[in-house]
Amino acid sequence: AQRVTQPEKLLSVFKGAPVELKCNYSYSGSPELFWYVQYSRQRLQLLLRHISRESIKGFTADLNKGETSFHLKKPFAQEEDSAMYYCALSGTGGFKTIFGAGTRLFVKA
Amino acid sequence: GAVVSQHPSWVICKSGTSVKIECRSLDFQATTMFWYRQFPKQSLMLMATSNEGSKATYEQGVEKDKFLINHASLTLSTLTVTSAHPEDSSFYICSARDRGNEQFFGPGTRLTVL
Repeated sequence: AQRVTQPEKLLSVFKGAPVELKCNYSYSGSPELFWYVQYSRQRLQLLLRHISRESIKGFTADLNKGETSFHLKKPFAQEEDSAMYYCALSGTGGFKTIFGAGTRLFVKA
Repeated sequence: GAVVSQHPSWVICKSGTSVKIECRSLDFQATTMFWYRQFPKQSLMLMATSNEGSKATYEQGVEKDKFLINHASLTLSTLTVTSAHPEDSSFYICSARDRGNEQFFGPGTRLTVL
């Protein structure tokens, strides 16, 4: 079965501390993995996708097929990073996108 | 970046009436559009996937006769909540996927059924 698991509902860190939001997936084919972010009162927006291998706003995520994980990392969290983060999976050929339950990141001053 | 709009942004209706929500991709052609429902402090729940000119594919547990989806063009999809009841009150979000497999989300529509 296709599934995206984000084990942490809430993650609270201090400003300047490293942050890692966990994401594990289950998919039988070759998935495409995404991280979406939703800031307060704003729409969901793409943060990064594994195929582009970019670093956006200091965030990176590496697809680990062996561990079926796509954890989101940032070495130094900022207060403006406080938001809801969703890990998502999409298959090839027009497959629907499945979202994880989301992790709320709270960066304390 | 690409923009997806939704209209209306919020709507209040009486129980038993129908409500139509529009989703438009403003500057790109969407190969596929998706409709999600989001409950407070919860993740997005996919309701259906629609491709232009064909019938929508509904997720298990979503009543297709209650949530009518029409995808008339590559830039417009509509969701009609028929005979709405208070339990249909929710935040409905659409997204449009471009040819590069990237999804762009609308701002959402808050539906309140009295």
